[in-house]
Amino acid sequence: GQQVMQIPQYQHVQEGEDFTTYCNSSTTLSNIQWYKQRPGGHPVFLIQLVKSGEVKKQKRLTFQFGEAKKNSSLHITATQTTDVGTYFCAAERTTDSWGKLQFGAGTQVVVTP
Amino acid sequence: SQTIHQWPATLVQPVGSPLSLECTVEGTSNPNLYWYRQAAGRGLQLLFYSVGIGQISSEVPQNLSASRPQDRQFILSSKKLLLSDSGFYLCAWISRERYNEQFFGPGTRLTVL
Repeated sequence: GQQVMQIPQYQHVQEGEDFTTYCNSSTTLSNIQWYKQRPGGHPVFLIQLVKSGEVKKQKRLTFQFGEAKKNSSLHITATQTTDVGTYFCAAERTTDSWGKLQFGAGTQVVVTP
Repeated sequence: SQTIHQWPATLVQPVGSPLSLECTVEGTSNPNLYWYRQAAGRGLQLLFYSVGIGQISSEVPQNLSASRPQDRQFILSSKKLLLSDSGFYLCAWISRERYNEQFFGPGTRLTVL
């Protein structure tokens, strides 16, 4: 079945630094979503990417969907302590998947002041 | 606005005991509903999804079952819990009109001893 691989599993970042987390699939994706889960909380939707090569920005967060629609990345600039949490990518393989998402294992981000 | 409720928030149960977790959605009709399980420090595994009353699809063979007795009610059950059933159980929904993001409930943290 479809596998969504996410790297790195852990990311320790100094406050103010940038980092990137990556999401890769062996199959072409219809779209990809990103979620953030704060410690002890539930996942919260950040964004959805649909088009090949699409780039979207939310303040310090930049999301990108690969040209082949098989990979995606989330880049955070000038990391702040509020960025702590686990970031998941989630893929819906086909448009008739009834909204079923395959989640990556997540990147757990720890920010040191 | 739409809200999603889950209860209980935490639960400690002995091995072999039954389980019933409830999820209800307000402010929307005919949603797709999903049950996920998240093991400690891991990603989300889709367990069941439902596109309507009485319609349940299972994603993985397991010790659990699901039911949807009403449009906005989704129940996760087990007749006899196993140690491996411990985890964080999340209910989620999507709107058929806005077929992109999933909205997650606050979750139930289940510990089987």
